[in-house]
Amino acid sequence: GAVVSQHPSRVICKSGTSVKIECRSLDFQATTMFWYRQFPKKSLMLMATSNEGSKATYEQGVEKDKFLINHASLTLSTLTVTSAHPEDSSFYICSASGGLGDEQFFGPGTRLTVL
Amino acid sequence: DAKTTQPPSMDCAEGRAANLPCNHSTISGNEYVYWYRQIHSQGPQYIIHGLKNNETNEMASLIITEDRKSSTLILPHATLRDTAVYYCIVRPTSNSGYALNFGKGTSLLVTP
Repeated sequence: GAVVSQHPSRVICKSGTSVKIECRSLDFQATTMFWYRQFPKKSLMLMATSNEGSKATYEQGVEKDKFLINHASLTLSTLTVTSAHPEDSSFYICSASGGLGDEQFFGPGTRLTVL
Repeated sequence: DAKTTQPPSMDCAEGRAANLPCNHSTISGNEYVYWYRQIHSQGPQYIIHGLKNNETNEMASLIITEDRKSSTLILPHATLRDTAVYYCIVRPTSNSGYALNFGKGTSLLVTP
């Protein structure tokens, strides 16, 4: 299957700082990328959908000015958590599609801890 | 998207077949059944998908009832590494722009 990477895999930051998470499709061109968030013992919740070259579409309740998404190329999307607070601590997962069939391929996730 | 119902947890002995059921009684004609799994602290992994015919790949088999209102994912010889949360998801295909709507899934524990 296709490979999607995320960087960093784990990050700890101070409250008030911004954190950028990268999501890359390594062996295919991803026309669409998705960002999910997962709290402990909960399921994945979709945050936003991004198509290359256009603005992301955010789910209800997700602040676009707080979670900045950029999908500048067919292989890279970034999620920036601005002015992070402890309640933003979570497991952030991206997925990409547009390669092999209609499957979505997921990255390994990024564990964010805000102190 | 149609909703799915799965048992919250199941146990299976190592080496035995794991049969994970999923109810999707409101599935539409253009919706496929997808199965993903998530091992602890990792991203979800695609397993298999199907429309109405049974499907098999190197990981699992998918059995869909004739009325398409339910399906079963079969892991023929479960190993300890198959311990994970398994998600049954229905969504339209032929459009990679659709996100996946994850429910609560089934937590499968494979025991020695």
